[in-house]
Amino acid sequence: DAGITQSPRHKVTETGTPVTLRCHQTENHRYMYWYRQDPGHGLRLIHYSYGVKDTDKGEVSDGYSVSRSKTEDFLLTLESATSSQTSVYFCAISRDQEGYQPQHFGDGTRLSIL
Amino acid sequence: KNEVEQSPQNLTAQEGEFITINCSYSVGISALHWLQQHPGGGIVSLFMLSSGKKKHGRLIATINIQEKHSSLHITASHPRDSAVYICAVRIRGGADGLTFGKGTHLIIQP
Repeated sequence: DAGITQSPRHKVTETGTPVTLRCHQTENHRYMYWYRQDPGHGLRLIHYSYGVKDTDKGEVSDGYSVSRSKTEDFLLTLESATSSQTSVYFCAISRDQEGYQPQHFGDGTRLSIL
Repeated sequence: KNEVEQSPQNLTAQEGEFITINCSYSVGISALHWLQQHPGGGIVSLFMLSSGKKKHGRLIATINIQEKHSSLHITASHPRDSAVYICAVRIRGGADGLTFGKGTHLIIQP
């Protein structure tokens, strides 16, 4: 299994609070992704990174920011959490930008915003 | 806009049956992926296809680029195959990352 660790695995917090999710990899893959999974929508891309300090927005980036200061760590921050951000968040890594290599997923973070 | 459509959404079958899950997409792609998600959430990559056919054990995946269609087949299905199967594409020229179908929920009954 690819070495990807997401933390925390579960979190419950209140509307308006800041939340940071961490994705840590030991595979030295260049490309990292944050997705959210919601019933009826499937997985959707929030943000991605193509290198240290190189990030870009995905389909559902509003309300989220990311940072990547080291190859192994990709952080997702909800500056002021809202109930619509209740979801399961998955980090993924890949060696390839064009999809010719598999994406390896973390185990997910279940986030509840009350 | 649903760029990736899967069918059926739900499928219940008996152990031993031959299973087919379909995926159609409406955009140009560089690659198509099939993923498996068991209850409890972990997502595992099964196949990456850019052309033709791939086989791994009892799983077979095919893609027809001209028709923008892919199928995932499971031979001699087993209750442990019960999971959600997800089709995803890398859109050519699009943002990095995959675009996903909504998944097919498969239940194999003993």
